Amino acid sequence: DTGVSQNPRHKITKRGQNVTFRCDPISEHNRLYWYRQTLGQGPEFLTYFQNEAQLEKSRLLSDRFSAERPKGSFSTLEIQRTEQGDSAMYLCASSLDGRQLNYGYTFGSGTRLTVV
Amino acid sequence: SQQGEEDPQALSIQEGENATMNCSYKTSINNLQWYRQNSGRGLVHLILIRSNEREKHSGRLRVTLDTSKKSSSLLITASRAADTASYFCAHSGGYQKVTFGTGTKLQVIP
Repeated sequence: DTGVSQNPRHKITKRGQNVTFRCDPISEHNRLYWYRQTLGQGPEFLTYFQNEAQLEKSRLLSDRFSAERPKGSFSTLEIQRTEQGDSAMYLCASSLDGRQLNYGYTFGSGTRLTVV
Repeated sequence: SQQGEEDPQALSIQEGENATMNCSYKTSINNLQWYRQNSGRGLVHLILIRSNEREKHSGRLRVTLDTSKKSSSLLITASRAADTASYFCAHSGGYQKVTFGTGTKLQVIP
């Protein structure tokens, strides 16, 4: 297993377009998290899944954002009608079950989104 | 916001010196973690300290936790140029998500 994989690494899109990012977690990790990070700030929580169930969504996640993890493996994050304020690094992380949260997260390298 | 805060925001030291970063948080926690992020990359988990622990070591890293003051510190001893990165603390109140601080940008000058 090569860790958490995110694709694409970079995405430039025009305002108003839809974009989709993919995250492949570590195979035995049943928890998957999405965070957003803007320049000079810490990562902000967006949403997380346990297996295929989306258990929590941040208020940061407007109606234009949707995340899925259909088979409890990879996850996708879609942003519809992108705005310039959506420009950020989108980070995916995975971990074992919450009862074993004491082992920390494994992060992917992120997808950097630029909306022009 | 439940986000923690770190101090200082930026730190510049000479190679070989020690670097100390502090973190404060607002809620009750189950554990506190420290992560490193190289420029434009994902975060790497460094060390985790549980709420019933006061100090933990890992290699050149030393973490302390004071739950009465809701604060933690990360000490990097004998710093190297490769330690140049941003460092984030992150806390968890239970078995849910982790909340990150604002980060300390460390520059180690060769």
